[in-house]
Amino acid sequence: EAGVAQSPRYKIIEKRQSVAFWCNPISGHATLYWYQQILGQGPKLLIQFQNNGVVDDSQLPKDRFSAERLKGVDSTLKIQPAKLEDSAVYLCASSLDLRTAYEQYFGPGTRLTVT
Amino acid sequence: TQLLEQSPQFLSIQEGENLTVYCNSSSVFSSLQWYRQEPGEGPVLLVTVVTGGEVKKLKRLTFQFGDARKDSSLHITAAQPGDTGLYLCAGREQGGSEKLVFGKGTKLTVNP
Repeated sequence: EAGVAQSPRYKIIEKRQSVAFWCNPISGHATLYWYQQILGQGPKLLIQFQNNGVVDDSQLPKDRFSAERLKGVDSTLKIQPAKLEDSAVYLCASSLDLRTAYEQYFGPGTRLTVT
Repeated sequence: TQLLEQSPQFLSIQEGENLTVYCNSSSVFSSLQWYRQEPGEGPVLLVTVVTGGEVKKLKRLTFQFGDARKDSSLHITAAQPGDTGLYLCAGREQGGSEKLVFGKGTKLTVNP
């Protein structure tokens, strides 16, 4: 069974530039999560989708971050414009559905460096 | 304030030693998970504990959920270099939102 795919694996941009990350969850998984992991911290949930609907985006900085999952499968997370403090690993995870949210499968992450 | 406090933050031991890491909170959790994360990779789920007092074993790893479901521990027997990584606990707060909250992790290094 293929795992969660993410791309790119690494990205370096200058502050005020834009960047987008892509995630393809495990086939059949209805729930998709985007996390931000700053160095030395645990992952922090940014946004959670159930199919193509947003379940929780309370910790998403909506002035600069956006995410979509238009067809209920793959998803993109965008930052526009980026700030230095956005430097982090962005992890995508998926679970079968909301009831199994305690069993999430993570992708390898995208390491973003903002200079 | 961190909902889940993990200790120690860093641990460096020799191969063959035993160790215990802790995950504590003042909140009650409906379930608690342990993940291991290696550099450049995403976290990998090791175990989920649900019942207070529950003990689960995974080869040389023993996980315990506190009776009050506020804390958990991970004990590794005869650690090996392959156990090196960041150990994260995560949980869903009972009566709270369904989202998973993570601790900061314990970075374990097992030296050969």
